[in-house]
Formats: sequence, structure tokens, C-alpha cells
Amino acid sequence: DVKVTQSSRYLVKRTGEKVFLECVQDMDHENMFWYRQDPGLGLRLIYFSYDVKMKEKGDIPEGYSVSREKKERFSLILESASTNQTSMYLCASSLQNSPLHFGNGTRLTVT
Amino acid sequence: EDQVTQSPEALRLQEGESSSLNCSYTVSGLRGLFWYRQDPGKGPEFLFTLYSAGEEKEKERLKATLTKKESFLHITAPKPEDSATYLCAVRSGNTGKLIFGQGTTLQVKP
Repeated sequence: DVKVTQSSRYLVKRTGEKVFLECVQDMDHENMFWYRQDPGLGLRLIYFSYDVKMKEKGDIPEGYSVSREKKERFSLILESASTNQTSMYLCASSLQNSPLHFGNGTRLTVT
Repeated sequence: EDQVTQSPEALRLQEGESSSLNCSYTVSGLRGLFWYRQDPGKGPEFLFTLYSAGEEKEKERLKATLTKKESFLHITAPKPEDSATYLCAVRSGNTGKLIFGQGTTLQVKP
């Protein structure tokens, strides 16, 4: 079974802090994704990566950056956290054109 | 514009009362339609992939079907443990992107 592990289930940060969300997958998938999920807005793609050191902007990249130094690890960075970034963050991985496999999410609260 | 619409938004069933969830889509060149189940506070769990009209997939009490414009997730004799939000997503042939619907929240009462 594919396992996608997100380092934190819950995180509370203050406005202006730099925040790192970590995601690791164990199935040698080339594709990795970061989504956020908000009530009424559904899942929205922030960034994705098709290969090591490669990144592409999704639909809502503003205020975020990513890092993929190793194939199995994809990090989401909030450079200066703001209250409107309070959300559930979901990491996913996949092979080319295959279903996405999601982690259990990180619920981030920015106060 | 690629779009996915799920209906209803919420569905309450009695245990054993069969029903269907709908996923309507418009996409340029479908490269797969995916169903996921999401429990509260957890990430979506993959259920099925469908690629072409007429295709069907089954797993326990769930059966997914696909036409050129929509997919149905049929739930036969549901149990309370089937309560969850069910998400539909399509992959666009033009962009390769995955477009998610808003989900249907199913509650099955004993």
C-alpha cells in the first residue's frame, strides 16, 4: 500500500511566522502535490512537482513556496503565515496519469 | 472550461436504503474519472478509476459507472460505516490537471 506521511496532524502558528509542512511518500512516485481544503471551496491545488528539484504553480500559489530536494519528500513553505492561510493542507503523490494517494492532512491554524 | 459538479451536496439515508451519488463533468479529453472517500479529519482515500463510457467498477457495497457526461456512485444497502464525504475528480486531457468536485456528504443512520 502507498503511504503518504505528513509530519504534523495539527499545527498552530502565529501571523508572520515561517511555516514548513513536510510530506514523505514511500512508493517512488515521481509526482507530488500540495492542496488546501476549505469548506465550500473544496480542494485547491497550490503547487505540484513532476520530478526532483522541479516545481509548477497550481491554482493558488500566492503566499506559498515548495521544495523537492529528494524524490520522496515534498515540502510546502509559508514564507510569512497569515490568518487566511488557516486551512487543512493535503499532500498527495502519484505515478504519471495514475490516481493520487493522499496523506492524512495537516490542520494549520494561524492566529 | 473544465468543470465537475457533484449532487446532492448532502444525503441522509436509513441503513439499507440504496441510493446514488452523481458527478457531472465537462472536460476536454477525459483521461480518467476518480472517486474518493473522505472521513472527517482525514485525507481522501482512493476508491475507483474509470476511463471510458460504459465502464463499471465495484467494491463491496459501492459501484461506480461512467457515461460521456457523468458518473454515478451507487450505494447498495448502505451501513452506518459508509458515512463519509465522497469526492469525484476528473483528469483533463488538455492540461493533465485533476479537477475535483465539491463532494457529497453521506450520512447513513442505523
